Amino acid sequence: DQQVKQNSPSLSVQEGRISILNCDYTNSMFDYFLWYKKYPAEGPTFLISISSIKDKNEDGRFTVFLNKSAKHLSLHIVPSQPGDSAVYFCAASALGNQFYFGTGTSLTVIP
Amino acid sequence: NAGVTQTPKFQVLKTGQSMTLQCAQDMNHEYMSWYRQDPGMGLRLIHYSVGAGITDQGEVPNGYNVSRSTTEDFPLRLLSAAPSQTSVYFCASGRQGGDQPQHFGDGTRLSIL
Repeated sequence: DQQVKQNSPSLSVQEGRISILNCDYTNSMFDYFLWYKKYPAEGPTFLISISSIKDKNEDGRFTVFLNKSAKHLSLHIVPSQPGDSAVYFCAASALGNQFYFGTGTSLTVIP
Repeated sequence: NAGVTQTPKFQVLKTGQSMTLQCAQDMNHEYMSWYRQDPGMGLRLIHYSVGAGITDQGEVPNGYNVSRSTTEDFPLRLLSAAPSQTSVYFCASGRQGGDQPQHFGDGTRLSIL
């Protein structure tokens, strides 16, 4: 049973606009959430993370928002750039030994 | 800095054959793990290790064995390959802790005929 879900398989946005990628989870014990970006034929690379005690974390153009009551997090990319086109995975962990990944959202940024 | 190195990059096996997927990291990370990526399923944890001599099962461990004799190496063994194990396999390493980013290799694409 999928504990981390990304319900949008794909997303297209215009260059310069905001990209919003969503992630839902079911396990209330998750205490850390991470986002990874993946290009074809490469492994995922870490993007940004957030602790369950926070509701927002920002790093440059990337901001992650966490809504614990809704068990929902989102990744905002502003402004979106063509180089951001990739598959984005959200992941969650509880107690730090196992990470659960979503199914990924393929982002296309149109120049 | 090599990071996480996986070999081979591609492999075709026949049903029933065995093989070992190699993974090595040069960052002195305690935590190492193996994932498989299948269409529509995301990345699923197969096995993980929190240090040399310590391994544990993830979400989908059946059909796979691991060992961790050194900090650097974490091989994944398929004892008797099945078509259901056709997948892309990723090895990752990182410091232990749920907030610690994992560093991934570039994957091994495995096909079982």
